[in-house]
Parts: sequence; structure tokens; C-alpha cells
Amino acid sequence: DAGVIQSPRHEVTEMGQEVTLRCKPISGHDYLFWYRQTMMRGLELLIYFNNNVPIDDSGMPEDRFSAKMPNASFSTLKIQPSEPRDSAVYFCASSFLGINQPQHFGDGTRLSIL
Amino acid sequence: KQEVTQIPAALSVPEGENLVLNCSFTDSAIYNLQWFRQDPGKGLTSLLLIQSSQREQTSGRLNASLDKSSGRSTLYIAASQPGDSATYLCAVTPRATNKLIFGTGTLLAVQP
Repeated sequence: DAGVIQSPRHEVTEMGQEVTLRCKPISGHDYLFWYRQTMMRGLELLIYFNNNVPIDDSGMPEDRFSAKMPNASFSTLKIQPSEPRDSAVYFCASSFLGINQPQHFGDGTRLSIL
Repeated sequence: KQEVTQIPAALSVPEGENLVLNCSFTDSAIYNLQWFRQDPGKGLTSLLLIQSSQREQTSGRLNASLDKSSGRSTLYIAASQPGDSATYLCAVTPRATNKLIFGTGTLLAVQP
């Protein structure tokens, strides 16, 4: 079992550029979650999908953030335009059957916006 | 609004000690509580999940308890080892949502 795979592991880019983070969930999992982790705010849920459909995006900070899940094995989180305050570690997680099942996390993407 | 607090923020113990990490939450209407481990530069690993109807869960040297009425959970680690050094996070799933709310974590260092 390959686990949740995220790419890239590290991203450094200049303010104003578009950033795309990618996630491949564990095969068979029907829930996918995007989180952001910072020193100031800890771990925060941005958005989650069930069967490829966005269910709750209330954690997405601004319209500059968007997420898609075109199929069961792939999701993207896009920031356009990026700002220095978006610098954080972004995690993707997946689970099977949702609420009372443990979530499996990827190793994250460390994003730095200069 | 659900808030999750973990005490202490950091803990250093000698190898072999038994230790307790604390987690408190403000709203008892939860589906479950989970304990995670995070190693530097890595994602989170789920350790134990306690459903709202359960009082405790055990896995090896780890035991987690849940007292929903008082809004508390503890993670007990027996015979600590240097390999247990990591950040430990608790998280609750409120009944109003399907979203994990995380605590700020306890950074544990087990000294050899």
C-alpha cells in the first residue's frame, strides 16, 4: 500500500505566481481532505471531498484558493495569485467511509512564497 | 465553537518513564476523538481512534481514554523509548460537522 502521495515535497516561488499542489489518495478511499499547517494557527482543514464531490470548503481562506478532484485518484489545490502569508505546509489526507475512520496523511508540501 | 487544547506544550522525560499527555475539548457533542503522531518533516500517523460510545482504546504501549462529559482525553505511553519522540496531536470530530478539529500538540522528547 503506497499511502497518500503528495507532490511536490517542497515548493519555493515568488509572490504572484500560481502554485499547484497535487495529491493521490489511497486507492479505494472515498474521502479526501486538504489541510494547512502553520506555527501560528496549527492544523486547519481547508476543504474535503466525498466521492470526488466537494462537501465543505468553508475553510478555504480566500478566492485565491481552489481545489478540484477530477477523479477518485487525483486532487489538486491551487493558489493564484500566491502571497507570502500562504507559506505553510499543506497536507492531503484520505479515509474510507468518513467520520469514524482514521485519516491517512501524506508527507505534505512545504510551500514558501517569497 | 469547538476548541481543543493540549497540555503540556512540551515534555522531556528519561527513557523508561511512563507518561501522560492531556487533551481537552469544549463541546462534548463529538463523533470521536483521535490521537496522532507527527514526526519532523512528515505527515500525521493515526495512533488511536475512540468513538463517542467508547471509554478507551489500547494499542501496544499506548492507551487513550475518553471522558466526554468532562471534555477530556488522555494518552498514556508506557515504558517510553527514544523512538517515541515526536509531536502528539489530538483531534475531535464534532457532531455538527465531518471535520477534524486539532489541538496544538505536545512535543515529546524521550532522552536515552
